[in-house]
Parts: sequence; structure tokens; C-alpha cells
Amino acid sequence: SAVISQKPSRDICQRGTSLTIQCQVDSQVTMMFWYRQQPGQSLTLIATANQGSEATYESGFVIDKFPISRPNLTFSTLTVSNMSPEDSSIYLCSGAPPIVSGETQYFGPGTRLLVL
Amino acid sequence: GENVEQHPSTLSVQEGDSAVIKCTYSDSASNYFPWYKQELGKRPQLIIDIRSNVGEKKDQRIAVTLNKTAKHFSLHITETQPEDSAVYFCAASGSNTGKLIFGQGTTLQVKP
Repeated sequence: SAVISQKPSRDICQRGTSLTIQCQVDSQVTMMFWYRQQPGQSLTLIATANQGSEATYESGFVIDKFPISRPNLTFSTLTVSNMSPEDSSIYLCSGAPPIVSGETQYFGPGTRLLVL
Repeated sequence: GENVEQHPSTLSVQEGDSAVIKCTYSDSASNYFPWYKQELGKRPQLIIDIRSNVGEKKDQRIAVTLNKTAKHFSLHITETQPEDSAVYFCAASGSNTGKLIFGQGTTLQVKP
């Protein structure tokens, strides 16, 4: 399985500011994704991080609010822009190794964000 | 788009009993169905998955069944132990997008 790390593990931010979360995978993966998990809730897909091109966003999520980069096959960033308290959540990245058709996903440890 | 419904939202069993969690999905093109276990404060961990070309898969005390006609799949845990206590999520994926759509989650409590 792929080993996935995220930085920072947690942060407390002021409203109106932005935070960039980094996701690093130890081996090349075909697909990387970003999810949000609000307290006590399930995981909601934010977007698919595409290598070398613009991310593909799910309904309800827009690039201006959640810009995503993926410069290579093992690294991606998610920025939470112009934060409000409603953005307080856990943000998780996931990666899918190519050997299993890009479906089996492994998750990073998550970034716990609190916006004051 | 795909929608995944999961039941029950909470489940309490005695140690040694079996636990069953059920999910239904809406998109008939879905062909991959993983189950994740999430302990408090930790990342989701894949525990078992099944693809649409099989009806059942088993790994020790854990099994998953899939009924493509009815569009539902279930997780079965036998001989439950206190360390099985966690939140379990089902998910569905299809059309080679790799995107996972998650159910709402089931909080399983195994009482010693």
C-alpha cells in the first residue's frame, strides 16, 4: 500500500486567511483526491487532483475557494482560501496506486483545521 | 450522480456476536465497493473491498457480499471483539474515475 503523509497535521487559523495543505505519497500513484470530513460526518470528495492540469471539482466546490496543484505524480497541495469558521474540518488526501486500476485508495492522516 | 445510503447509523453488539452493515447505491455503473474502518482521530483504513465481477469476498472474520441487481452490498463481521469498535464507511466507485462516494457511516460498539 502507498504511504501518504500530510502537512500540517493541524492548524488554527483566523478567518479571512488561507492555508495550504501538502500531501506527499511515497510511490507514484495514478490518481490523487482531496476529501473533507466535517466533525462526526462522512467523507465528501472535494476534487480530483490531476497531474499537470487543472483539478476536477465536485458539485459545491470551486477552484477559487479550494485551489489545487499537482506538479508531479507524488505530490499535491490543497489551499483553503478566505477561510470562515464553516471551513473548520478535517481535510484528507488519498492516492490510488496504478497496479490496482486506480481504484483502491489509501488515505493520508488528515489535516485538522480550526478557523476562528 | 452516485448516491450511497448506509444503515444503521449506530450498532451495538455483544462481544462474540456478529455485526452486519448494509449499503445501497444508485449508479448501476459502479463497479468497485470498498469498506473503511476509522478509529477516533485516525485516518480511514481499508479493511476489505469487492469488485462487481464477484458476489462475495471473505478475509478472516470479515466478509462482504454484493448484489448488483438490487444495488446493495453488505459488510459482515463475525466473532466481534472490542477492538472492532470504530466507525465503518462503505463507498462506491465506477466508470474508471477512481472517485469514491461514501455512505454516511456506522458507529459500531462492541461491548465486552
